[in-house]
Amino acid sequence: AQTVTQSQPEMSVQEAETVTLSCTYDTSESDYYLFWYKQPPSRQMILVIRQEAYKQQNATENRFSVNFQKAAKSFSLKISDSQLGDAAMYFCAYRAPYGQNFVFGPGTRLSVLP
Amino acid sequence: DAGVTQSPTHLIKTRGQQVTLRCSPKSGHDTVSWYQQALGQGPQFIFQYYEEEERQRGNFPDRFSGHQFPNYSSELNVNALLLGDSALYLCASRRPGQGIREQYFGPGTRLTVT
Repeated sequence: AQTVTQSQPEMSVQEAETVTLSCTYDTSESDYYLFWYKQPPSRQMILVIRQEAYKQQNATENRFSVNFQKAAKSFSLKISDSQLGDAAMYFCAYRAPYGQNFVFGPGTRLSVLP
Repeated sequence: DAGVTQSPTHLIKTRGQQVTLRCSPKSGHDTVSWYQQALGQGPQFIFQYYEEEERQRGNFPDRFSGHQFPNYSSELNVNALLLGDSALYLCASRRPGQGIREQYFGPGTRLTVT
């Protein structure tokens, strides 16, 4: 069974600085999808960024980028120029190509300090 | 375009009772998944509905059941409630077709069992 691990329960960053959140996963599949979701106190899960395993190029979305290391089964999220609104729980998620459900990690709580 | 909606927002039930949660998917989406998110944890997959049938199921007992209607909306039913069923229940939908197809989440229903 696939598992997703986030080894940092909590992280903090100064406003305007850069922070990296870690995620590792375990799978025997060669093709799959990876996601980072953000969950602010409002509870709404919001997609931050996504990556297809067959693509070697790392995904970027404005201030958010990933470092996808397929051989190491690592998928870290980098947030540049951190803003107060980035404070939230961040979940890493895995989905197999023909599987229907997402497997989520336990989450990392990010605090942004003014 | 309305996103994924869920009702009710909050619910308080007593042990042994039954509860029904409701979800309307995002416009154009045909697949609905349900997740249970205990406090401080990542979401856990309960089951997924497509074409009015349960297509996949996570490691949840038969007390958890669901339904999908012809308009793609869905219900989650939990019988014989236990204290451990207290959680945030998230509904997620996605559009038809193959490929990465990220899930869009609703705001969740907070269930408290006393």
